[in-house]
Amino acid sequence: EAQVTQNPRYLITVTGKKLTVTCSQNMNHEYMSWYRQDPGLGLRQIYYSMNVEVTDKGDVPEGYKVSRKEKRNFPLILESPSPNQTSLYFCASSPGPGKSGKLFFGSGTQLSVL
Amino acid sequence: GEDVEQSLFLSVREGDSSVINCTYTDSSSTYLYWYKQEPGAGLQLLTYIFSNMDMKQDQRLTVLLNKKDKHLSLRIADTQTGDSAIYFCAESFPGNTPLVFGKGTRLSVIA
Repeated sequence: EAQVTQNPRYLITVTGKKLTVTCSQNMNHEYMSWYRQDPGLGLRQIYYSMNVEVTDKGDVPEGYKVSRKEKRNFPLILESPSPNQTSLYFCASSPGPGKSGKLFFGSGTQLSVL
Repeated sequence: GEDVEQSLFLSVREGDSSVINCTYTDSSSTYLYWYKQEPGAGLQLLTYIFSNMDMKQDQRLTVLLNKKDKHLSLRIADTQTGDSAIYFCAESFPGNTPLVFGKGTRLSVIA
């Protein structure tokens, strides 16, 4: 089944403790992206990647890192999480924004930073 | 820069039609999309329209695009309780520019 898999689904952590949210897609998509969703603010893009070893900042990249060493995986890293990073995070992939805006989304990761 | 605006809430009675509206500022978009987010889930692509089309119909869904006014709408006929969700409009642009999303409209269907 074609899908985008994120883990974990829920995560509670404390300020300053490094964490990684994993994202994997099985559709051989070139484009992958991370969003955060906050009430009243909608979806905001954190980072995106056009292909392997190519990453770019989105609208709200501060406090986040990403890597794209393989086509299928695009982990989101919070080196030193802070309470303002408490949010619902989504990973998404598509054949490419220039080719298709048909994004496939993961089920989300609800992160709470205490 | 690009901006996509939607009203935040809409409430309708079961069986009525719902109309969700969206306005955008950048007329260079290639496609416009509607995504649906059900409670506790990620977004799913519902339908989309090419920017040089006026209308697209898909079963209970009708998308209308007014390029002159930069206005996009999604009409859901015979709205059901299962249609309760957040609906996002989004636009794409030529090249590799990422999608721009609106903030989403929460549709509540009253039985």
